[in-house]
Amino acid sequence: DAGVIQSPRHEVTEMGQEVTLRCKPISGHNSLFWYRQTMMRGLELLIYFNNNVPIDDSGMPEDRFSAKMPNASFSTLKIQPSEPRDSAVYFCASSGTGTGYNEQFFGPGTRLTVL
Amino acid sequence: AQSVTQPDIHITVSEGASLELRCNYSYGATPYLFWYVQSPGQGLQLLLKYFSGDTLVQGIKGFEAEFKRSQSSFNLRKPSVHWSDAAEYFCAVAHSGTYKYIFGTGTRLKVLA
Repeated sequence: DAGVIQSPRHEVTEMGQEVTLRCKPISGHNSLFWYRQTMMRGLELLIYFNNNVPIDDSGMPEDRFSAKMPNASFSTLKIQPSEPRDSAVYFCASSGTGTGYNEQFFGPGTRLTVL
Repeated sequence: AQSVTQPDIHITVSEGASLELRCNYSYGATPYLFWYVQSPGQGLQLLLKYFSGDTLVQGIKGFEAEFKRSQSSFNLRKPSVHWSDAAEYFCAVAHSGTYKYIFGTGTRLKVLA
């Protein structure tokens, strides 16, 4: 398997623009997670999907952030409008019942810079 | 509240020296424990995990970790460090049957040639 795939790997945008990050989980995994990593706050869970349904979005910082999972093989995280404080590395991770014990597999991340 | 503490933000060791990275957790039940490694510009890779059984667990790349319930610790060790081990290391804890990881703040390892 190719692992968790994220695109783009790098994104530079200007304040106020819409940003869309994409994730393809490992085939057969039924749980998907979006994380944000910053120097100040470390790794934060933004949202968790199970069987394509958002279960916990308590980590989504504000209404400017939204996430969708239209099917088992694709998810998006959208920021609209973006702000400089959104600059971070965003990771997608997936997990499945076959993996046992909640093991999460992480993608390579998207480094977002908002100018 | 559940928490994970990695008391060392930075550690520097010489190549060939032994390594121990500390991790302490605060948790009411027997946790699921993980160590991940993040190389520069990369995602997190699982090194090892503990769920139950033998308290000394072996992982990839020659790493091992020991679960000590009495000390609420899950320290990561390697007998001889290689320059390629330079990276950031994260300890995480999860409640059995749930999805939510609590990550530590990470320890950045530097290896001197």
